[in-house]
Amino acid sequence: KAGVTQTPRYLIKTRGQQVTLSCSPISGHRSVSWYQQTPGQGLQFLFEYFSETQRNKGNFPGRFSGRQFSNSRSEMNVSTLELGDSALYLCASRGGLDTGELFFGEGSRLTVL
Amino acid sequence: DQQVKQNSPSLSVQEGRISILNCDYTNSMFDYFLWYKKYPAEGPTFLISISSIKDKNEDGRFTVFLNKSAKHLSLHIVPSQPGDSAVYFCAAKSNNQGGKLIFGQGTELSVKP
Repeated sequence: KAGVTQTPRYLIKTRGQQVTLSCSPISGHRSVSWYQQTPGQGLQFLFEYFSETQRNKGNFPGRFSGRQFSNSRSEMNVSTLELGDSALYLCASRGGLDTGELFFGEGSRLTVL
Repeated sequence: DQQVKQNSPSLSVQEGRISILNCDYTNSMFDYFLWYKKYPAEGPTFLISISSIKDKNEDGRFTVFLNKSAKHLSLHIVPSQPGDSAVYFCAAKSNNQGGKLIFGQGTELSVKP
């Protein structure tokens, strides 16, 4: 069974640009969450989607947005990039909303110059 | 407001000895706790979890203890092996927040041969 797949794995952008990251969950999983990991901050919750609906949102500015498609694949977008957005963006999927265990992808490493 | 805290950024242990990783939380609404392990350049992988109705859960070399009155949980690894060297994150979930997990900052464990 294929795991969570994230693309691209690495990317470099400049301030003011925007970026779109993609995530394909484990087959059959309908819930997709996004987390941002920065050194010393652990993993910060961005948002969770289930059946194409955003179910939960973290404390990030409106520049961070996401969506989920009918096949459960998800994208997140960051507009007007800032230097502080440099981080590892992790996508995770789970079978249902109440199941505690998340299965993570390898992440997309974003560097903003 | 850091609801889940791992106060030790790093821990070094000799192979064969016990590793104890600690985690404190502040939100009494948390009802499910998880530990994840992360190797460099990989996404976090689920290790072990515990429901708030239990005080101990064991899986092979890994045991998680929960002390609800102290709002404290710990992960014991016995015996520790060099392959256990990784960053360990504790995470918590509450029923009224859907699937959102709150993560600690992580503890980097180094197991020396």
